[in-house]
Amino acid sequence: DIVLTQSPASLAVSLGQRATISCKASQSVDYDGDSYMNWYQQKPGQPPKLLIYAASNLESGIPARFSGSGSGTDFTLNIHPVEEEDAATYYCQQSNEDPLTFGAGTKLELK
Amino acid sequence: EVKLLESGGGLVQPGGSLKLSCAASGFDFSRYWMSWVRQAPGKGLEWIGEINPDSSTINYTPSLKDKFIISRDNAKNTLYLQMSKVRSEDTALYYCARGRPQFDVWGAGTTVTVSS
Repeated sequence: DIVLTQSPASLAVSLGQRATISCKASQSVDYDGDSYMNWYQQKPGQPPKLLIYAASNLESGIPARFSGSGSGTDFTLNIHPVEEEDAATYYCQQSNEDPLTFGAGTKLELK
Repeated sequence: EVKLLESGGGLVQPGGSLKLSCAASGFDFSRYWMSWVRQAPGKGLEWIGEINPDSSTINYTPSLKDKFIISRDNAKNTLYLQMSKVRSEDTALYYCARGRPQFDVWGAGTTVTVSS
């Protein structure tokens, strides 16, 4: 199984500043020129919401302050500028190989 | 409106069985891969498995392969999860999700509690 290691486990960011979340895969999630890494946001009592797919593609309706980058085994989710509504837990997920796997999550709090 | 609505959760005794449903609306269900994902209380997300549009391919996370069965009825726009031999660690919120390679639509989930 591909293990996804997210860091940090939690972070506190001031309004308007940048939040950076890392996701490292135990093996490459690239295939045929594409990176099969996705990012989700989950707020308490709600299902996850897709933010970024294929490493860097912004899902429809998601604000442009969210961005994703990376390839191979190293991926990053950036949020800038952070807004109050961004307080949530963020998960990376790989879909290059079965079983599909998620990272353990990163909890973002606002200072 | 694109929507997924899970049902069938509840209290089940250890060793028992339960069948969850996920009703899809607002899109052509028969064209999409579908997955089940669960979340234990206070924990992260765990992918259970997936089924392709015509049910010819069904994949599971290895640890659940002998306990859970995923199926679908495209005529009824419904996805199913048959759970058997449940244990306390199967207590979780169970979500259905649309799509592959990314999950772009999620239901609100149905809660399964395994307890005697």
